Amino acid sequence: KQEVTQIPAALSVPEGENLVLNCSFTDSAIYNLQWFRQDPGKGLTSLLLIQSSQREQTSGRLNASLDKSSGRSTLYIAASQPGDSATYLCAARLSLATYKYIFGTGTRLKVLA
Amino acid sequence: DAGVIQSPRHEVTEMGQEVTLRCKPISGHDYLFWYRQTMMRGLELLIYFNNNVPIDDSGMPEDRFSAKMPNASFSTLKIQPSEPRDSAVYFCAIVGGRAPGANVLTFGAGSRLTVL
Repeated sequence: KQEVTQIPAALSVPEGENLVLNCSFTDSAIYNLQWFRQDPGKGLTSLLLIQSSQREQTSGRLNASLDKSSGRSTLYIAASQPGDSATYLCAARLSLATYKYIFGTGTRLKVLA
Repeated sequence: DAGVIQSPRHEVTEMGQEVTLRCKPISGHDYLFWYRQTMMRGLELLIYFNNNVPIDDSGMPEDRFSAKMPNASFSTLKIQPSEPRDSAVYFCAIVGGRAPGANVLTFGAGSRLTVL
């Protein structure tokens, strides 16, 4: 059974720092992995999607990497800003045959001004 | 959130009452999902549909929960009778279709349910 873990559960950093959020999955046979952002009281917004054949994806100050063999993905945020404060979740899609996504429990990020 | 409209945004009800949550996908899609989010269990997939047909309902907690998708533009999640442990935020999400970015899971804003 696929399990997705995110560590740390919460993180507080000063503005301007570069930071890394971690996502681990137990079964390396995933089809793709998505990173989401969730603001309080809101739905989830997709940030980056990495296919299993890719190593990384970039969007602005965000870079997500995927290492299937080790069961890990990281989300790198450069030059963090207070507006980046949110909960970040990763989700693994199990296979091409199913659209079932298993979500991690998230990392709650606070960027201090 | 523009791709999926959920209603109501907030619902407070008493134990034993029937609750109906609604989802209206605005953009074209192939798949529709219902998720439940709680502090204790995180995001859990309840059920998902492909072209309006239920594909996997193994996440539906018990018979008190049911979901329907009568057409591509509307889905409901019903809880009858509701219990306090059903209190959570329920999300509807879509994926698929022909529009750019269609392979990205798009969520609605959620319906926050409180059962007293």
